[in-house]
Amino acid sequence: AQSVTQLGSHVSVSEGALVLLRCNYSSSVPPYLFWYVQYPNQGLQLLLKYTSAATLVKGINGFEAEFKKSETSFHLTKPSAHMSDAAEYFCAVSPPIYNQGGKLIFGQGTELSVKP
Amino acid sequence: GAVVSQHPSWVICKSGTSVKIECRSLDFQATTMFWYRQFPKQSLMLMATSNEGSKATYEQGVEKDKFLINHASLTLSTLTVTSAHPEDSSFYICSAREPQGRTKRLGETQYFGPGTRLLVL
Repeated sequence: AQSVTQLGSHVSVSEGALVLLRCNYSSSVPPYLFWYVQYPNQGLQLLLKYTSAATLVKGINGFEAEFKKSETSFHLTKPSAHMSDAAEYFCAVSPPIYNQGGKLIFGQGTELSVKP
Repeated sequence: GAVVSQHPSWVICKSGTSVKIECRSLDFQATTMFWYRQFPKQSLMLMATSNEGSKATYEQGVEKDKFLINHASLTLSTLTVTSAHPEDSSFYICSAREPQGRTKRLGETQYFGPGTRLLVL
């Protein structure tokens, strides 16, 4: 069965500093991996996804993530934080579509705060 | 592309009444839609998977008679909370995915609606 663990429910960085949000997964088959962002009282917006192509994935708003099979990780990074990056971030795993109908399994979420 | 809408964005109702929430894929056809529930400061909990033209598949612990799901067309799924009670108050979010045979453009991605906040008094 698939599962996702996000280390740290809350991360605080200064504006301009590196953002690192951690995500580890467990999966019995090669998974698809996603990062979503949620602003207050809104739905989820896709940041980026890994679907077995390049292991370094670039997303929107300057975010990127690297799939490391040996570490079962898919950490999200951004070189320089902006105030507008403050939000809740969710890592999610999905088995291939032929298995379980493409359900998404979410991590617990990490709230990112950006200090001026 | 890949826009999903929900209506209403928020609703307040009296205990015992029923509330219907609509989820629409605006620029693509979605044979599969998902319904989630989210409590404050928590992650999303999958309630059910809705497939066009067939019965929804509910997750364990979700009452199918309480949360009625209909997916009558390729662009519309509805969630009806029947005989709502205060404990049903929550943020309900839907997502939609393109049919399996058309995944070249959108891949295996679920696209989410903006959510509906339900408050039952």
